[in-house]
Amino acid sequence: SQTIHQWPATLVQPVGSPLSLECTVEGTSNPNLYWYRQAAGRGLQLLFYSVGIGQISSEVPQNLSASRPQDRQFILSSKKLLLSDSGFYLCAWMLRGRTEAFFGQGTRLTVV
Amino acid sequence: GDSVTQMEGPVTLSEEAFLTINCTYTATGYPSLFWYVQYPGEGLQLLLKATKADDKGSNKGFEATYRKETTSFHLEKGSVQVSDSAVYFCALSPPYNFNKFYFGSGTKLNVKP
Repeated sequence: SQTIHQWPATLVQPVGSPLSLECTVEGTSNPNLYWYRQAAGRGLQLLFYSVGIGQISSEVPQNLSASRPQDRQFILSSKKLLLSDSGFYLCAWMLRGRTEAFFGQGTRLTVV
Repeated sequence: GDSVTQMEGPVTLSEEAFLTINCTYTATGYPSLFWYVQYPGEGLQLLLKATKADDKGSNKGFEATYRKETTSFHLEKGSVQVSDSAVYFCALSPPYNFNKFYFGSGTKLNVKP
């Protein structure tokens, strides 16, 4: 069966520090991969999605970047965190041609 | 652009009460529509979906009907339970790019015994 792993579960980082969140999927190949952010009191915002290795689509210009170095690995990064980067980050995957997305447990990031 | 609008919460109901959570969307053409649920401390799970107009998605006693004429996909349940307490998200996937998902702001449901 397919599983998605996202870590760390919680993270507290100072302003200006770098960020790296990792997400990996097991049990499937060539999935679509997604990063979402859920800010306090707000809905889910699509940040990036990828349909293949090295292929990244950005939905909103911001302080973050994403990379897909391997088929089932999706990384969210920042060189210098801002206070506004605080939130709950969710990774998701979906099989190509299907309509159901499967989500990880999320990472709660607090920038102080 | 494509977007989803949900009713604001929180919604507080007594057990066995009737539930409606409103969702309307803006999209070109015929998107696929979804309801996802997020239980406390967990990621999102697909609850139900509908991929064309007049389709009814259903799961675990929840239902939603894809209404093209009103661009709506309201979530309903006839008798809620305490275990239904969660945050519910309406979402769409646009027809021009099914790789994308757009979510509403979420509606928190609290069910009291």
